[in-house]
Amino acid sequence: NAGVTQTPKFRVLKTGQSMTLLCAQDMNHEYMYWYRQDPGMGLRLIHYSVGEGTTAKGEVPDGYNVSRLKKQNFLLGLESAAPSQTSVYFCASSYRQGWNTEAFFGQGTRLTVV
Amino acid sequence: GNSVTQMEGPVTLSEEAFLTINCTYTATGYPSLFWYVQYPGEGLQLLLKATKADDKGSNKGFEATYRKETTSFHLEKGSVQVSDSAVYFCALRINSGAGSYQLTFGKGTKLSVIP
Repeated sequence: NAGVTQTPKFRVLKTGQSMTLLCAQDMNHEYMYWYRQDPGMGLRLIHYSVGEGTTAKGEVPDGYNVSRLKKQNFLLGLESAAPSQTSVYFCASSYRQGWNTEAFFGQGTRLTVV
Repeated sequence: GNSVTQMEGPVTLSEEAFLTINCTYTATGYPSLFWYVQYPGEGLQLLLKATKADDKGSNKGFEATYRKETTSFHLEKGSVQVSDSAVYFCALRINSGAGSYQLTFGKGTKLSVIP
């Protein structure tokens, strides 16, 4: 059982380039999330989705777009990368939006923007 | 708003030492509380959770008790091992309105255990 899989695992971008991070989950979870992790900042929510075809903004959405065309996939796009977007990105999913439900995380994508 | 405060790291302990990582929270309502662990090069994994006051979550020798009166969820382990070296995140989950239940994380505490 793969769980939550993120691709790629590492990427270096030049300022202004675009890219898409892919998250795939095989647990039939309704809810999916994108977080970024920065030193001393913990994890901050970028965008999330409560179901296929729906997305919503999190705490730090600026500079990112997302799409959830299929239930199992959640894509995070950077249209014009900036050095401030250098970070480790984590995707997560959960079965439902319950208050006591755990989230399952991918292994992360380390992105460097130069 | 909702927030989680956990002790600053890094924490370095000798093997078999006692571990406490403090976590306190602020929430507008009644949250569920979680501890996640991140081993080097990996994503976060749920370590334990508690969903109501006085509940004790436990796993792999780690324990944490949901203390509503002190809004705390401190992580403890009686005897740490080198394999426990990781970053530990305290988190809460609560209804943020419009049916949204966001996970709010603390900044993480890095634990290094030396032989």
